[in-house]
Amino acid sequence: DTEVTQTPKHLVMGMTNKKSLKCEQHMGHRAMYWYKQKAKKPPELMFVYSYEKLSINESVPSRFSPECPNSSLLNLHLHALQPEDSALYLCASSQNRVYRYDTEAFFGQGTRLTVV
Amino acid sequence: DAKTTQPPSMDCAEGRAANLPCNHSTISGNEYVYWYRQIHSQGPQYIIHGLKNNETNEMASLIITEDRKSSTLILPHATLRDTAVYYCIVRDPQGGSEKLVFGKGTKLTVNP
Repeated sequence: DTEVTQTPKHLVMGMTNKKSLKCEQHMGHRAMYWYKQKAKKPPELMFVYSYEKLSINESVPSRFSPECPNSSLLNLHLHALQPEDSALYLCASSQNRVYRYDTEAFFGQGTRLTVV
Repeated sequence: DAKTTQPPSMDCAEGRAANLPCNHSTISGNEYVYWYRQIHSQGPQYIIHGLKNNETNEMASLIITEDRKSSTLILPHATLRDTAVYYCIVRDPQGGSEKLVFGKGTKLTVNP
């Protein structure tokens, strides 16, 4: 199983709503990532979790709150978003470097978020 | 910041080889060259990676110059389904958590 599953596929939320994006993998990967991608732009790294601990936060606003409850699951909690936060949110996972130096990352299909 | 330079777009005829170049003149000895592609509205897909030697898998070949300052991804027989944005990424898997930073990529269009 080399799949990263993201739910929901599409989400429309108001600026006062609270919602969560979910990402799941069962490949035994211990590094998990959130990326944000605006139209016609490359994915931008937001957060990296390594062994369920937040290791990189790319200066993301606090209205985005990541959570890694276990080694298979990664959540992104959303609160008080702005219309400019509308984007494709991608999750990825990879083996931690401890096991292999040259591992590839596997990406989910993303959640298309629209903030109204 | 991305450490690679790629042409913004390329065209290729169906059935012909697509050769996508990438410059990474500041690459260090520990950094690998990775290639991913992203078909419209899907998540990025891993293609291939290498350190020094040329690599080949079922999807593509990767040719890395001897000085490692540039590389070429080769799709030997491009099909319409290969139309995508191709990203060349250099990455040091040692020291701290993995960090995969995407540059602007090359939009490859395969024409019938």
